[in-house]
Amino acid sequence: ELKVEQNPLFLSMQEGKNYTIYCNYSTTSDRLYWYRQDPGKSLESLFVLLSNGAVKQEGRLMASLDTKARLSTLHITAAVHDLSATYFCAVDAAGGSNYKLTFGKGTLLTVNP
Amino acid sequence: DTGVSQNPRHKITKRGQNVTFRCDPISEHNRLYWYRQTLGQGPEFLTYFQNEAQLEKSRLLSDRFSAERPKGSFSTLEIQRTEQGDSAMYLCASSNAGGAAKLFFGSGTQLSVL
Repeated sequence: ELKVEQNPLFLSMQEGKNYTIYCNYSTTSDRLYWYRQDPGKSLESLFVLLSNGAVKQEGRLMASLDTKARLSTLHITAAVHDLSATYFCAVDAAGGSNYKLTFGKGTLLTVNP
Repeated sequence: DTGVSQNPRHKITKRGQNVTFRCDPISEHNRLYWYRQTLGQGPEFLTYFQNEAQLEKSRLLSDRFSAERPKGSFSTLEIQRTEQGDSAMYLCASSNAGGAAKLFFGSGTQLSVL
């Protein structure tokens, strides 16, 4: 059974600081997704990582994928309050068929002034 | 693109009652998914459709749960004889088949079983 572990589960940061969220998964997969969820809202797709070494950046967020280590990272640069949300990583558990995602428990990020 | 629409947003019911949720996917998407999310957890896969065909169901989907997607458009998820453990956010998502198509999620239906 595929397991996806995120850490930390809770992260309190000061504005302007940098930090990294880690996502480890237990079986081979070359498709990894990052989502953002605001309280009471749905999930918003941030990044889709499709191959070993993939790196994608959007604003202050950068995601990378190392399929050999079964590890993805979401790096936050110079955090701002608007980044406060829960961040989920998800792995395609269906061998690339993209219909069955296994999610981590999420990282609740709070950015303080 | 009006997004994935789910109704109702909230449902409160008594244990033992039946409930039905509706999902309207993005119109050109042929895949539709149901996930369930409980507090403090990530979403868990329940089932998915390609067009009108239901192609996989999770073990989480007991025989009290049934999902349909008539004509490959909107979908309904029915829970019969609800139990308190069914209380959760039920999320619908849609995508195009193939490739690394992103899943677009709806806002969910929050079910509370009293």
